[in-house]
Amino acid sequence: EDQVTQSPEALRLQEGESSSLNCSYTVSGLRGLFWYRQDPGKGPEFLFTLYSAGEEKEKERLKATLTKKESFLHITAPKPEDSATYLCAVQGNDMRFGAGTRLTVKP
Amino acid sequence: GAGVSQSPSNKVTEKGKDVELRCDPISGHTALYWYRQRLGQGLEFLIYFQGNSAPDKSGLPSDRFSAERTGESVSTLTIQRTQQEDSAVYLCASSFLRGAPNEKLFFGSGTQLSVL
Repeated sequence: EDQVTQSPEALRLQEGESSSLNCSYTVSGLRGLFWYRQDPGKGPEFLFTLYSAGEEKEKERLKATLTKKESFLHITAPKPEDSATYLCAVQGNDMRFGAGTRLTVKP
Repeated sequence: GAGVSQSPSNKVTEKGKDVELRCDPISGHTALYWYRQRLGQGLEFLIYFQGNSAPDKSGLPSDRFSAERTGESVSTLTIQRTQQEDSAVYLCASSFLRGAPNEKLFFGSGTQLSVL
């Protein structure tokens, strides 16, 4: 069965303190790995899609990387507005989401 | 509208009552998904529709849950005889085509269901 595990569950950073979020997965036939951002009271918002090991995507302070077993979302010099829950999803036979990492960035 | 629209945004109901949740997908999107998100948890797949194909109902937790979609437009998720454990945010998402190489899901803001 396809599984997605995200860690840590919650992460508190000071503004400017870089860190990484992890998404470990097992899937039969990976068709894509997705990162979404979810703000309180809103639906998830698409960030990145990664398809093959070694691939990287960047957007502002965020960079997503992919290996055969996991993906990392690196946050460089985060700002308070980066505070949100970050969700990872894998597409195999269906789209399966992890429980998310709740990121808080303090000024 | 330009995005996925869900209504109502909040629904409070009594245990045992039926509820109906509505989703208007983005025009032109053939795939439509329903997910459930319990407080502090990830998204739990419920059902998806792809064009006129038979829906994948494999995620529906019980026979109290059902969903319909007319063509490639509005979908309704119905929960009969609601229970307290049904309390959650119900999210709808749509995409141009399920399984497409660069499929992106566009989510609505969800319906917060509270069963008293």
